[in-house]
Amino acid sequence: GAVVSQHPSRVICKSGTSVKIECRSLDFQATTMFWYRQFPKQSLMLMATSNEGSKATYEQGVEKDKFLINHASLTLSTLTVTSAHPEDSSFYICSARDQGAYEQYFGPGTRLTVT
Amino acid sequence: KNEVEQSPQNLTAQEGEFITINCSYSVGISALHWLQQHPGGGIVSLFMLSSGKKKHGRLIATINIQEKHSSLHITASHPRDSAVYICAVRWQGKLTFGTGTRLQVTL
Repeated sequence: GAVVSQHPSRVICKSGTSVKIECRSLDFQATTMFWYRQFPKQSLMLMATSNEGSKATYEQGVEKDKFLINHASLTLSTLTVTSAHPEDSSFYICSARDQGAYEQYFGPGTRLTVT
Repeated sequence: KNEVEQSPQNLTAQEGEFITINCSYSVGISALHWLQQHPGGGIVSLFMLSSGKKKHGRLIATINIQEKHSSLHITASHPRDSAVYICAVRWQGKLTFGTGTRLQVTL
């Protein structure tokens, strides 16, 4: 099946710094990528939908200036958590939809810890 | 009210048992996904269904569109099946997730 990678898998950063997470579709082109956040023992919550070459659409309650999303190519989307705070510590998962298809593939996730 | 409800929330089974996880939803959907999340966090897509039944190895997924219900079955369960199983429905262009069923299969 199709593969989605995320980098890094784990990151620890100090409060106030920014962290960039990359999401790549390795063997297919993804016009649409999704960014999710998951707190312990909770379900995935959609943060934003990004379409290649256009601005991301953020869900209600998600600060777009804090969570910057860039989808510059058909295989790469990035999420930058700016001025991170301990409450941003979470598991971030990206997902990519195969161009023209319904199937959606998930990345392995990035665990962010802000100290 | 959550648009997607799963049951049970937690399930413990002995190796070899037949397992059923249920998912009910309240909205009109275009597709339903069954996902598996291991303790490390990574998510694997098991099935995508819009009607009928699909089988892959020991896993079977069914959906009844009229009743807005889907089931995931695991035959001859094994400890390596221990994971969280998540039902997600495609609604208004996005996936809405259930809270997951935590499965523990013991020897």
